[in-house]
Amino acid sequence: NAGVTQTPKFRILKIGQSMTLQCTQDMNHNYMYWYRQDPGMGLKLIYYSVGAGITDKGEVPNGYNVSRSTTEDFPLRLELAAPSQTSVYFCASSDQGYTEAFFGQGTRLTVV
Amino acid sequence: AQKITQTQPGMFVQEKEAVTLDCTYDTSDPSYGLFWYKQPSSGEMIFLIYQGSYDQQNATEGRYSLNFQKARKSANLVISASQLGDSAMYFCAFLDSGGYQKVTFGIGTKLQVIP
Repeated sequence: NAGVTQTPKFRILKIGQSMTLQCTQDMNHNYMYWYRQDPGMGLKLIYYSVGAGITDKGEVPNGYNVSRSTTEDFPLRLELAAPSQTSVYFCASSDQGYTEAFFGQGTRLTVV
Repeated sequence: AQKITQTQPGMFVQEKEAVTLDCTYDTSDPSYGLFWYKQPSSGEMIFLIYQGSYDQQNATEGRYSLNFQKARKSANLVISASQLGDSAMYFCAFLDSGGYQKVTFGIGTKLQVIP
């Protein structure tokens, strides 16, 4: 079972570069989430989606964009990378908001 | 606004003892939910337990139970008979049931089980 797959696992970006973090789930879940986790801290919600074509901002959306054209995919776009975006990024999905969320393995991003 | 609070940065517990990890929340909505997740040093997030605001009984899952006190707005995790493998970060998360159902996390508590 693949579950939630994130790519890449690691990435180093230079300041000002852009990139897309990919997230795919094969459980036909409606809800998908992007979080970032800074060292020694909890998870901060960046964006989330309750279905294809529907997205909304979380706690820390600035500097990021998302789209949800299919149920399976929820890519996170970083425009003009900044050192403050150095973090571990987690994608998660759940069938409903009140059900268990399944997390990807995380993407460790460093902006230098 | 901060909806979820974990005030214990770190906790120690003796193996085989029980431990309580605190979580409080702030909401005026009658419908919401609370999760607990475990994050071992390997980094993955593991679901432990869920409590809905309308659930009549406290949630339990094996050695994990949730001490839900609605009036005090607290949802503490109780781990019974601690094991060395319980050493990890523990996160409480709040489900905002209004509108889109988003889930936000507390900053976590690091639990260390001592042999």
